[in-house]
Amino acid sequence: DVKVTQSSRYLVKRTGEKVFLECVQDMDHENMFWYRQDPGLGLRLIYFSYDVKMKEKGDIPEGYSVSREKKERFSLILESASTNQTSMYLCASSFSEGQSLLLPYEQYFGPGTRLTVT
Amino acid sequence: GEDVEQSLFLSVREGDSSVINCTYTDSSSTYLYWYKQEPGAGLQLLTYIFSNMDMKQDQRLTVLLNKKDKHLSLRIADTQTGDSAIYFCAETPDDKIIFGKGTRLHILP
Repeated sequence: DVKVTQSSRYLVKRTGEKVFLECVQDMDHENMFWYRQDPGLGLRLIYFSYDVKMKEKGDIPEGYSVSREKKERFSLILESASTNQTSMYLCASSFSEGQSLLLPYEQYFGPGTRLTVT
Repeated sequence: GEDVEQSLFLSVREGDSSVINCTYTDSSSTYLYWYKQEPGAGLQLLTYIFSNMDMKQDQRLTVLLNKKDKHLSLRIADTQTGDSAIYFCAETPDDKIIFGKGTRLHILP
């Protein structure tokens, strides 16, 4: 079974702190994604990566950065946390097209990190 | 814009059928997905339909696709308390996946 793990289920940080959210997948997926989930807004894509050291901005990248130094690990960084970044953060991974004969674009999600910034 | 539309809430009595509707935007989507998110968990793929199909049945789940109207629906027969979750539909245009905002299914006793 594919496993996507996130470093924390719950996190409380103060305004201005630097925050690291870690995600690890064990299926050799090329693609990895960071979303935030807010009530009434659904999932919004922050950043994604299709290869080591590669990153692409999603729909709401402002205030965030990412790092992918190893294929299995994708980190989301909040350089200076603000209260409007209080949210549920979901990491996901997937095969790239051609990497697998399985269902393309199917994303496997981690359990989420609920971040509260006070 | 690229908006996949779903209603936000649905309440259904236990044992009845639930029908969750979705309108997508891009007719080039090869696959259309339904994901389920249980409380406190991430999303998990529930079922999918290939764009050249108009119906797919999988045990209690029936997916209907109307390509002309870009309308997708998920029917859950004999709804159980364990079906209480948020259901996301998703389309796959241009090598990416776009999720709707999710429909929260509430089960009434």
